[in-house]
Amino acid sequence: AQSVTQLGSHVSVSEGALVLLRCNYSSSVPPYLFWYVQYPNQGLQLLLKYTSAATLVKGINGFEAEFKKSETSFHLTKPSAHMSDAAEYFCAVSDSGGSNYKLTFGKGTLLTVNP
Amino acid sequence: KAGVTQTPRYLIKTRGQQVTLSCSPISGHRSVSWYQQTPGQGLQFLFEYFSETQRNKGNFPGRFSGRQFSNSRSEMNVSTLELGDSALYLCASSSGGDRPLHFGNGTRLTVT
Repeated sequence: AQSVTQLGSHVSVSEGALVLLRCNYSSSVPPYLFWYVQYPNQGLQLLLKYTSAATLVKGINGFEAEFKKSETSFHLTKPSAHMSDAAEYFCAVSDSGGSNYKLTFGKGTLLTVNP
Repeated sequence: KAGVTQTPRYLIKTRGQQVTLSCSPISGHRSVSWYQQTPGQGLQFLFEYFSETQRNKGNFPGRFSGRQFSNSRSEMNVSTLELGDSALYLCASSSGGDRPLHFGNGTRLTVT
């Protein structure tokens, strides 16, 4: 079975600073990887997805992630944090073959942005 | 296009009761998945339906069940509620294949 590990349950940055949220995956097949964001009292919103087309994936709200097979990593970055980026972020891997209905999620990283 | 709609948003039930949650997927989406989110266990897959058939089920007891209707709307039912069933239940839909999941805002169930 596929799995993901998010390093750091809580990350705090200053407004304007680089955001780096770490995710490592374990998969026996080429993985489908995702980053989702969850704001308080809301569901999950897709930020970006990796499906082997390109190793650098650009998502919404200025986020991007780089797939590194040698490091089994899929870290999420944003050059300059905004207050509105404060939320919980989840890395996920598809565990349903070519379909993506069954995702295995990491434990999440809570991002705090300080003024 | 309207997103995934879950009703109700909040529910309070007593231990031993049963509960039914509803999910309307994005128009045209035939796959509906359900997830449970708790502080301790995080996000866990419950089951998925496609064209009224359950294709996969997570590691949950038989008290958790679901169904999907011909219009792709889905319901999940939890019988004999336990305190540990208190959670945010998220529904997600997709158009199938390698398309990503789109999540609703969830139903927060509190069992007292």
